[in-house]
Amino acid sequence: GENVEQHPSTLSVQEGDSAVIKCTYSDSASNYFPWYKQELGKGPQLIIDIRSNVGEKKDQRIAVTLNKTAKHFSLHITETQPEDSAVYFCAASKNTGFQKLVFGTGTRLLVSP
Amino acid sequence: DADVTQTPRNRITKTGKRIMLECSQTKGHDRMYWYRQDPGLGLQLIYYSFDVKDINKGEISDGYSVSRQAQAKFSLSLESAIPNQTALYFCATSDPGQGAGELFFGEGSRLTVL
Repeated sequence: GENVEQHPSTLSVQEGDSAVIKCTYSDSASNYFPWYKQELGKGPQLIIDIRSNVGEKKDQRIAVTLNKTAKHFSLHITETQPEDSAVYFCAASKNTGFQKLVFGTGTRLLVSP
Repeated sequence: DADVTQTPRNRITKTGKRIMLECSQTKGHDRMYWYRQDPGLGLQLIYYSFDVKDINKGEISDGYSVSRQAQAKFSLSLESAIPNQTALYFCATSDPGQGAGELFFGEGSRLTVL
């Protein structure tokens, strides 16, 4: 089955710096790659996703890149702010109709003022 | 009010006790899920349901059971709780008609089994 590895497990940056979180997946048939943000005491919330027919997607300060050949995808956050501090999860699935997502183990991002 | 509501939010119980975690949603979604979150392990799927008559096991269903009482309600039961079921549990919903594949999570139920 699918296996998703996520690195780093923790990431500390100064406000205004960029942050990059990387994930690799094992199943070349996976075609949907979402990123979820989990704030303290809350459930995860989708922040951006990408499908395998697209190499990059941006939404304001966040972007996701996908390298299908290498089977890895990354989340990029520019101009980080303290409110970006949270746990971020990547995930992968083969079928967007049914969300049997396989999640990575999470990255705790701390943005210091 | 939250679209996906979980009760209780926190529960401490003893080994061998029966526990039920409840989830209700106002999003009108057909699909509902129960996930377990452990530190360093991410989110693991316990059970999922496409509608009231369709319930399926996920990756880690042993020791758990579920009931879909209505489109809006999906409960998770631990018949005889054990300490390694101590975790944060999340209910989620999704709407296949949207096509975007987004999961909507509740705020979680933290369970401690002593």
